[in-house]
Amino acid sequence: EAQVTQNPRYLITVTGKKLTVTCSQNMNHEYMSWYRQDPGLGLRQIYYSMNVEVTDKGDVPEGYKVSRKEKRNFPLILESPSPNQTSLYFCASSTIRDRLPEAFFGQGTRLTVV
Amino acid sequence: GQNIDQPTEMTATEGAIVQINCTYQTSGFNGLFWYQQHAGEAPTFLSYNVLDGLEEKGRFSSFLSRSKGYSYLLLKELQMKDSASYLCAVKNYGQNFVFGPGTRLSVLP
Repeated sequence: EAQVTQNPRYLITVTGKKLTVTCSQNMNHEYMSWYRQDPGLGLRQIYYSMNVEVTDKGDVPEGYKVSRKEKRNFPLILESPSPNQTSLYFCASSTIRDRLPEAFFGQGTRLTVV
Repeated sequence: GQNIDQPTEMTATEGAIVQINCTYQTSGFNGLFWYQQHAGEAPTFLSYNVLDGLEEKGRFSSFLSRSKGYSYLLLKELQMKDSASYLCAVKNYGQNFVFGPGTRLSVLP
């Protein structure tokens, strides 16, 4: 089954403790992206990647890091989480070719930083 | 810059028809997408337009005018389960997705 898998689904952590949210897709997609969603603000892009070793900042990259060492994986790293990073996070992937061009989303990760 | 606009909220009655508008200004265009998102859940794909005109999929239709930078999503025979947010997104020349703020639709009995 074609899917984007995020882990964990829920995470409560403390300020300053490094964490990684994993994202993996099994559709051989070139494009992957991370978003955060806060009440009333819609999806805001954090980082995106067009292929292995190619990453670009989105609209809200501060406090986040990403890497794209393999095509299927695109982890989101919070080196020193702060309470303002409490949010619902989504990973998405898509092909850059015409067939099935839509973005496929992971189930989401609800992060709470206390 | 890149900008996508949608109404923040809409309300409609069960069984009625509702049209959700989207206007966009992006760096290039490689398609316009509509997604449905229920609270706390992932967005799910509804429709895709890359050429001008209407695409119909059951109770949902989407229209695109590239010259006007305009699209709409039409929902017919509204059901209570259609209460959700509807997101308009454009894939730009760089193949990156730009999302609008979403329209929260409430369907009343």
